[in-house]
Amino acid sequence: GENVEQHPSTLSVQEGDSAVIKCTYSDSASNYFPWYKQELGKRPQLIIDIRSNVGEKKDQRIAVTLNKTAKHFSLHITETQPEDSAVYFCAAKRDSTLTFGKGTMLLVSP
Amino acid sequence: DGGITQSPKYLFRKEGQNVTLSCEQNLNHDAMYWYRQDPGQGLRLIYYSQIVNDFQKGDIAEGYSVSREKKESFPLTVTSAQKNPTAFYLCASSVRGPNGYTFGSGTRLTVV
Repeated sequence: GENVEQHPSTLSVQEGDSAVIKCTYSDSASNYFPWYKQELGKRPQLIIDIRSNVGEKKDQRIAVTLNKTAKHFSLHITETQPEDSAVYFCAAKRDSTLTFGKGTMLLVSP
Repeated sequence: DGGITQSPKYLFRKEGQNVTLSCEQNLNHDAMYWYRQDPGQGLRLIYYSQIVNDFQKGDIAEGYSVSREKKESFPLTVTSAQKNPTAFYLCASSVRGPNGYTFGSGTRLTVV
């Protein structure tokens, strides 16, 4: 089955800096790659996603890149703000189910 | 609450008891899922269902059971055979194909 590795497990940045979280996947048939943000005690919320026929997607301060050949994808957050502090999960989907990475705890200090 | 409702929010169970977690959606999604979340473990798939009256085991199905009698509902039973049931349980739904999930707000189960 699919295996998703996510790094780093924790990331601390200063407000205004950029943050990058990286994921690799194992199944070349996976075709959909979402990113979720989860605040403490809350449900995961979809923040951006990318499909396998696209290399990059941007939405204001966040962007995702996908390298199908290398089987990795990354989340980029620019001009970080304290409210960006949360756990971020990457995931990969083949057929009907998502396989999640173990998460990255992002802490943005004022 | 976002179209998918989990209840209760908090649940306490004595060892040896079965307990059922509720998940209802009004999004007209075909597929529904149950994940378990433990600290540092990410989200692990317990069971999923793509259509009424059909469901498949996920990666950690042992000690759990589900039913899908209605499109809107996908209850999860945590049985006494689950050795370490204390966790945060998340239900999700989606349309078919390369699309993301909508998550419920979760149920935190504690065995006492």
